[in-house]
Amino acid sequence: GAGVSQTPSNKVTEKGKYVELRCDPISGHTALYWYRQSLGQGPEFLIYFQGTGAADDSGLPNDRFFAVRPEGSVSTLKIQRTERGDSAVYLCASSLQSSPDTQYFGPGTRLTVL
Amino acid sequence: AQSVTQLGSHVSVSEGALVLLRCNYSSSVPPYLFWYVQYPNQGLQLLLKYTTGATLVKGINGFEAEFKKSETSFHLTKPSAHMSDAAEYFCAVRDRSNTGKLIFGQGTTLQVKP
Repeated sequence: GAGVSQTPSNKVTEKGKYVELRCDPISGHTALYWYRQSLGQGPEFLIYFQGTGAADDSGLPNDRFFAVRPEGSVSTLKIQRTERGDSAVYLCASSLQSSPDTQYFGPGTRLTVL
Repeated sequence: AQSVTQLGSHVSVSEGALVLLRCNYSSSVPPYLFWYVQYPNQGLQLLLKYTTGATLVKGINGFEAEFKKSETSFHLTKPSAHMSDAAEYFCAVRDRSNTGKLIFGQGTTLQVKP
């Protein structure tokens, strides 16, 4: 079956611009996670959705970042007033609510802020 | 706060040699433990996990890891390296009281020489 998909695969933007990154989880997975992976680092947790609601947004670095999941499937990570330090690979993962230990990761979106 | 330390950002072995990638965690309560692999331009893939039960865990591709509470370690091993094992490996932990947030180590790049 289809895995987690993320679009776009690459996004180049200018400092100060607004960007949206999309994640399509595996069908039937109610849990969805966003992580950010900077060059040479491990992924860092950003936010976790259970259904439509953000159950844990403790990893969002500041108020320029927010994410939505209005219908409990597709999620969009939104970054306002982008900064060069936001450049990273943004990873999305999904899991069954009953199996949070088995997260399936998408290929990521590489964001470059010039 | 939980943390994960991977000793050695780069490990190089010869084909057929033992692979040993080190991971230590810091947590007041033994967490759930994971190893992920990331091949170039691909998403993270779960290799193996420890949640409860037997402390020696077998995963895909011939890898295994042993949870040692007294050493707060979860080192990854494979008896005989293949060229196809060249990738980046991440150790991660999850709080038993948490719903799914993973905390990753910095990663170890495994190079396999012919």
